[in-house]
Amino acid sequence: EAGVVQSPRYKIIEKKQPVAFWCNPISGHNTLYWYRQNLGQGPELLIRYENEEAVDDSQLPKDRFSAERLKGVDSTLKIQPAELGDSAVYLCASSSSPQETQYFGPGTRLLVL
Amino acid sequence: GENVEQHPSTLSVQEGDSAVIKCTYSDSASNYFPWYKQELGKRPQLIIDIRSNVGEKKDQRIAVTLNKTAKHFSLHITETQPEDSAVYFCAASYSSASKIIFGSGTRLSIRP
Repeated sequence: EAGVVQSPRYKIIEKKQPVAFWCNPISGHNTLYWYRQNLGQGPELLIRYENEEAVDDSQLPKDRFSAERLKGVDSTLKIQPAELGDSAVYLCASSSSPQETQYFGPGTRLLVL
Repeated sequence: GENVEQHPSTLSVQEGDSAVIKCTYSDSASNYFPWYKQELGKRPQLIIDIRSNVGEKKDQRIAVTLNKTAKHFSLHITETQPEDSAVYFCAASYSSASKIIFGSGTRLSIRP
């Protein structure tokens, strides 16, 4: 069984530039999560989807971050414009339902210069 | 708000000894507590989890205990091996919001 797939794995951009991350969850997993993980810290939830509906986006900085999950499968997370403080690893995870095991993707390591 | 505290932040043990990592949570409605292991540059991977209707769960050298009254849970690794070196994260799932909150992590080093 294929795991959660993310791309790109690494991204270096200059501040004020836009950036987008893509996630393909495990087949059949209705719940999809985007996390941000800063160095030396635990993952911090940005947004959670149930199918195509964003059910928890309270931690998403909506002035510059946006996300979508069209058709309830793949998802993209966008930052526009990026700031220096956005440098982090962006992790996508999926589960069959809330409170079931979350499986993480390899993450996208973002560096904003 | 909801919070998960994890201690210690770093832990160094002799190979073969046991390691214990402790977490406390704030929301008494939490009922699912997973532990993740994250090796350097890799994704977090679930190693064990426990639900609130159980006080202890074991899987070979790994065990987790839960004290709902005190709102804390612990990870126990026995007979530690070099490959146990990693960062370990606890988490608590808040059923009212189906949200999962992670601890800040413990960097475990196994000394040969």
